Amino acid sequence: ETGVTQTPRHLVMGMTNKKSLKCEQHLGHNAMYWYKQSAKKPLELMFVYNFKEQTENNSVPSRFSPECPNSSHLFLHLHTLQPEDSALYLCASSHSGVAGTEAFFGQGTRLTVV
Amino acid sequence: GDSVTQMEGPVTLSEEAFLTINCTYTATGYPSLFWYVQYPGEGLQLLLKATKADDKGSNKGFEATYRKETTSFHLEKGSVQVSDSAVYFCALSDGGGATNKLIFGTGTLLAVQP
Repeated sequence: ETGVTQTPRHLVMGMTNKKSLKCEQHLGHNAMYWYKQSAKKPLELMFVYNFKEQTENNSVPSRFSPECPNSSHLFLHLHTLQPEDSALYLCASSHSGVAGTEAFFGQGTRLTVV
Repeated sequence: GDSVTQMEGPVTLSEEAFLTINCTYTATGYPSLFWYVQYPGEGLQLLLKATKADDKGSNKGFEATYRKETTSFHLEKGSVQVSDSAVYFCALSDGGGATNKLIFGTGTLLAVQP
């Protein structure tokens, strides 16, 4: 149990579907992150939220739409995805403004776009 | 920008062999350094960390020393076990921003054979 829970663990969706990934943490953290993990590529930081405000968007296509309603929950809304978007999507959280503190990761959602 | 370079895998060892996984970094400030481990089908778990030069992080028999002069944070273990088979990620956070976003290396797959 890492303290960060992601649902669903696995998701298969068609290119015209709309789905959402959910992340929840009860560690008292104020920063939350979405990462994409594709085969044979480094982990890609997608979005960063700090105290519910988006502070970073690393040129992520608009078919990925994040939402952070409060410091404990983070969503990633998906629509009209492409097969190359198939990957493991990892959510993480950490304290804000404390240098050297680590991030805690969820188990990820394995997404397959067909 | 900041970056992490770690040795290509896979690394295949026999049980009880000595392990070294090299990691070097580029950063403009004074980063904190981390090793994370990912077991099959799981998210990332923190293995160890070091927050300043000459610090040694250690956990479960693994060690890494923050070497500012060589910008390195190599992971070592004296005697690996089959259960250590996983993907190992070196990462840094620059600590200069409001959050502690992590920049990762590409990961090194370790396979330990009985």
